[in-house]
Amino acid sequence: DIQMTQSPSSLSASVGDRVTITCRASQNIRTYLNWYQLKPGKAPNLLIYAASSLQSGVPSRFSGSGSGTDFTLTISSLQPEDFATYYCQQGYTTPLTFGGGTKVEIK
Amino acid sequence: QVQLQESGPGLVKPSETLSLTCTVSGGSIRSYFWGWIRQPPGKGLEWIGHINYSGSTTYNPSLKTGVTMSVDTSKNQFSLKVNSVTAADTAVYYCVRRDINSGLDYWGPGILVTVSS
Repeated sequence: DIQMTQSPSSLSASVGDRVTITCRASQNIRTYLNWYQLKPGKAPNLLIYAASSLQSGVPSRFSGSGSGTDFTLTISSLQPEDFATYYCQQGYTTPLTFGGGTKVEIK
Repeated sequence: QVQLQESGPGLVKPSETLSLTCTVSGGSIRSYFWGWIRQPPGKGLEWIGHINYSGSTTYNPSLKTGVTMSVDTSKNQFSLKVNSVTAADTAVYYCVRRDINSGLDYWGPGILVTVSS
């Protein structure tokens, strides 16, 4: 299985901050990397697919980059509704695997 | 707008079978892959497997034993069964739509299933 390692596991930030989350794959996954936002009691939300493509309806403050084994999710200016847990996921091969998650908390 | 909704019992006894159904509305099940993800309390996300409209399945090898998925195109539904459950199967279960090119683009709100006597 492809292992996905996310960092940090949690972070504290203020509204307006720039936030960066990283994800590393245990082998080359080209750009088959997706990012999701999870909030308690709500359906998870796909933010970024194919490493850098913004899902329809997702605010442009979210962006993704990377290829091969190293990827980044950036929130350019953190908003109150962005406090949540974020997961990366590789879609290169089955079994699909996820990173351990990054919880973004209010500072 | 595609919507997914999980349904099934929230409490299952150890050694019994967990059965969940996902109803798809706003789109046909005759395209894409349809799958299940679970999240145990306080833990991360785990992919269980997926199925397409013709019934072709792919399961996570770590869970393959005791996992069965099926599809009912007439009802626009797909289902999950996990046999011989233990406390380790306690989790929020999500049904999802998988687009090969754009990931898991639609999710249900999730259903908490607790395994307990």
